[in-house]
Amino acid sequence: ETGVTQSPTHLIKTRGQQVTLRCSSQSGHNTVSWYQQALGQGPQFIFQYYREEENGRGNFPPRFSGLQFPNYSSELNVNALELDDSALYLCASSLEDRVGYTFGSGTRLTVV
Amino acid sequence: AQRVTQPEKLLSVFKGAPVELKCNYSYSGSPELFWYVQYSRQRLQLLLRHISRESIKGFTADLNKGETSFHLKKPFAQEEDSAMYYCAPLDSARQLTFGSGTQLTVLP
Repeated sequence: ETGVTQSPTHLIKTRGQQVTLRCSSQSGHNTVSWYQQALGQGPQFIFQYYREEENGRGNFPPRFSGLQFPNYSSELNVNALELDDSALYLCASSLEDRVGYTFGSGTRLTVV
Repeated sequence: AQRVTQPEKLLSVFKGAPVELKCNYSYSGSPELFWYVQYSRQRLQLLLRHISRESIKGFTADLNKGETSFHLKKPFAQEEDSAMYYCAPLDSARQLTFGSGTQLTVLP
């Protein structure tokens, strides 16, 4: 009942390919953030969107890009996949960031 | 550079014992601070936030601006508290940064 759903749950891609991960945020949540979580590490901030505009970006290259749509859904796109991109990708949404974020269960991406 | 440190990767305590999970941050300004928890096979979820000064599941966290710490405490640990705990400051750019996490195991 958290209201944040991600698809697919698991994905295997080949190095060099492109991938799109999807997130459906909780209704009314204008802010969505994406995180990369490598095995044994804490989530790393990729970027954040507020009302369909990117308003924050972590230390990730431009081949990581995103979109946020008016229906509270969003996408994370990764081009030219590298082996090190293998990780759990988390989407989180918030009505107001001071209140805290609601996380999805993530997409496990494996690049071979 | 902005940084959040959770010095203990693993922490084990016995049921009924007090527990403290440490978090130190190095940020300019006054970040807002959160603790998130991930139970086994569950998604990451908000445990508490310092702005509300609330107590969730018996856990509290005190912000010490002098020591730049936000340690999470519980006086009597329960087995169901076993989980991965992340300290997460929200900086002035509205970016939530997670520490590396502390895996808490409460032994029977």
